[in-house]
Amino acid sequence: GESVGLHLPTLSVQEGDNSIINCAYSNSASDYFIWYKQESGKGPQFIIDIRSNMDKRQGQRVTVLLNKTVKHLSLQIAATQPGDSAVYFCAENPTSTRGSQGNLIFGKGTKLSVKP
Amino acid sequence: DSGVTQTPKHLITATGQRVTLRCSPRSGDLSVYWYQQSLDQGLQFLIHYYNGEERAKGNILERFSAQQFPDLHSELNLSSLELGDSALYFCASSVGIFGYTFGSGTRLTVV
Repeated sequence: GESVGLHLPTLSVQEGDNSIINCAYSNSASDYFIWYKQESGKGPQFIIDIRSNMDKRQGQRVTVLLNKTVKHLSLQIAATQPGDSAVYFCAENPTSTRGSQGNLIFGKGTKLSVKP
Repeated sequence: DSGVTQTPKHLITATGQRVTLRCSPRSGDLSVYWYQQSLDQGLQFLIHYYNGEERAKGNILERFSAQQFPDLHSELNLSSLELGDSALYFCASSVGIFGYTFGSGTRLTVV
């Protein structure tokens, strides 16, 4: 079946460095993508989203890039801080000829570890 | 606080038993989604309700069922529980597909 996947299961960075987390998706009809951060014992927390008619979207210290040609999504975190340590998931909203059903397909996640 | 409330936070029960998980969506959100998160499967979509009606089903077992009530809260019923049902169960709510917000989850342990 179609799924969202991640290239790197773990990522360790130095505090202050930039982090890049990658994600590959397989459903070319997906029209909406979200990045979530999940800290231990908590629910996924929305970070940033992007619609398929955009290539780039910026938030506070975060940028999401979408490359539809190669079905690739990335999350860039600038000046990574210890508080950014968490598991990061990408998710896609698959669509069909009937449109979106509202459910999200999640990747398995990348654990980001920030070293002080 | 995301505005999505899930109870209970933790649940320990024996195999073969039945449990009910509860979710109250954010004020104004008509959609409620249930997801299961286990170590080896990640976050898996179970079911989606919109304003009381079932809209989509994912990988939900026949032993599991859900409903959304007129006040928009939702319950996920898990029966004939097996050890493999141990997982985190999350509820999310939204207005349409945007503003998709998760609750803090219910950790179910089946012993």
